[in-house]
Order: sequence, then C-alpha cells, then structure tokens
Amino acid sequence: GENVEQHPSTLSVQEGDSAVIKCTYSDSASNYFPWYKQELGKRPQLIIDIRSNVGEKKDQRIAVTLNKTAKHFSLHITETQPEDSAVYFCAASIGDSGYSTLTFGKGTMLLVSP
Amino acid sequence: ETGVTQTPRHLVMGMTNKKSLKCEQHLGHNAMYWYKQSAKKPLELMFVYSLEERVENNSVPSRFSPECPNSSHLFLHLHTLQPEDSALYLCASSQGDTDTQYFGPGTRLTVL
Repeated sequence: GENVEQHPSTLSVQEGDSAVIKCTYSDSASNYFPWYKQELGKRPQLIIDIRSNVGEKKDQRIAVTLNKTAKHFSLHITETQPEDSAVYFCAASIGDSGYSTLTFGKGTMLLVSP
Repeated sequence: ETGVTQTPRHLVMGMTNKKSLKCEQHLGHNAMYWYKQSAKKPLELMFVYSLEERVENNSVPSRFSPECPNSSHLFLHLHTLQPEDSALYLCASSQGDTDTQYFGPGTRLTVL
C-alpha cells in the first residue's frame, strides 16, 4: 500500500519567514495530494490540494509543488504569521473509485514566533 | 464548520462498556470515513463507506463496529475497548467524483 513520509516533524520560524514542509510517497498511481492544517483541539482543515496533472498551485501565501518523477511534494508558506502555528499533514490518494483513501504523513508542528 | 458534526465530543468509558459515536454530514456527500488519530502517529483510516456500502476495512479489531444507515449518518459502535484505543476519532465525508475529504471535530475517547 501507499506510504507517505513527512519532514520535518517540527519547524520553528520567525514571523515573516518562509516555511517549507516536504513529503514523499511510494505509490506512483497516487494522483491527489491534499494538505491539512490542524490547530490544537480542532478538526483537520484542507488548506490546499494538487492533482497529478499539475506541477504547482498557489493560493495567496500558500503554494504546493509536485514532482511526480521523484514522488515528492512540498508545502510552501511565505510571510508566516503567528496564526499559521498548527500541525500540518500531507496526504496522498488514488481517488478513482467513487471515494478516496487518503494515506497521511505523521504531521509537522509549525511554530511561528512573533 | 457545521458541515460534518460528531457527537459526543468527549467520551470516557470503561473496558466493559458499550458506547456509540455518531457522525452526521450536511454536505450531500456519498462517501464517509472513520479515522483514528493517536499522539505521534499518522491519521489512520479505519473504515470507508461509499453509497452506504462498506468498501474498506483496514484490519480494525472487531471491538469497533461501523454502521451507515444512510448517506448522511455514520456510527461507530464500541465494545470491550482497551486503554490503547484511547484517541481522537474523526469522521470525514467526500463527494464521489472528487477526492476532497471534510472532517468533523472528532470525539476524544478515553478508555479506563
């Protein structure tokens, strides 16, 4: 089955700096890669996703890049703010059966210091 | 925030109790999922229902029993749990022709 590795497990940055979180996946058939943000005591919330027919996607301060050949994808957050502090999860899925089976990474705790 | 709801939000139970977790989605989705979230572990998929049929069961112990009476509701029946089953149990839903899953707030379960 699919295996997703995520690094780093913790990341501390100063407000205004950029943050990069990286994930690798094992199954070349995976075609959908979402990123979720989970604040303490709250539900995981989708912040951005990318499909395998696209190499990069951007939404304001957040961007995701995908390298299908190397089987890795990354989350980039620019101009970080304290409210970006949370745990971020990457996931990979083969979603062509009428439902999706997401395999998650272990998560990255991002701490943005003022 | 109200698209997927879960009750109860917190549950403490003994190993001999029987309890049920409830999930309801108000998004018109046709697939629903149960996940287990433990400290320092990835989110673990437990069960998947698509069009009210169970399509995946990821080697979950039989002390966890899911039920999907209709496309809007999902239950997880619990009996004779172990302390290591203490975790956050998350429900999610998605629409069949897309892959995006939307999560509920979770039930924090403690097994004594």
